[in-house]
Amino acid sequence: DTAVSQTPKYLVTQMGNDKSIKCEQNLGHDTMYWYKQDSKKFLKIMFSYNNKELIINETVPNRFSPKSPDKAHLNLHINSLELGDSAVYFCASSQRGENSPLHFGNGTRLTVT
Amino acid sequence: AQSVSQHNHHVILSEAASLELGCNYSYGGTVNLFWYVQYPGQHLQLLLKYFSGDPLVKGIKGFEAEFIKSKFSFNLRKPSVQWSDTAEYFCAVNAGTGGFKTIFGAGTRLFVKA
Repeated sequence: DTAVSQTPKYLVTQMGNDKSIKCEQNLGHDTMYWYKQDSKKFLKIMFSYNNKELIINETVPNRFSPKSPDKAHLNLHINSLELGDSAVYFCASSQRGENSPLHFGNGTRLTVT
Repeated sequence: AQSVSQHNHHVILSEAASLELGCNYSYGGTVNLFWYVQYPGQHLQLLLKYFSGDPLVKGIKGFEAEFIKSKFSFNLRKPSVQWSDTAEYFCAVNAGTGGFKTIFGAGTRLFVKA
């Protein structure tokens, strides 16, 4: 049973296009996140949601729009893709609380050409 | 704001060697600290965590970490590494944000020679 699943696994697209990544968790967690991992493996938080509400928006360009239809889903839509958006995007979830570890999905490798 | 620094970006060891990866954080209050591992081509998985109590915490696969408050450090150790430990290791801190923001260090790439 996959705990945090995201689709697609790979996404290759051209500059200027719009794309979406979907994420679902079956762990019953209240909090979900999007992280971006660049080519040097550096992980940076983009968004966190708690019970469908946006809690953290880490100065991400407004071309990125997360949507949480319910607390088990957090999707990421990206408009007008740019070369610099190429990265691996990880969805994660956790129980609420500072000592709760993150459970990560398998990542979506986005390549913008 | 919190930050995490990992001193070693690349580490190469032979099998059976001992491992210590450094991690320092900056935050003056109560912290929750984590080590995650990312095997090649995979997602991050939790190795161990510390939030209170015994400062020496044990995790999966023989890893342990020691929280030293006075040094703002949370170093990861393993007495004897195996080839299968080849991976990227990330130190992380979650503090002062109600649990909604885990900050990661830049990662340490470990390569274990067979």
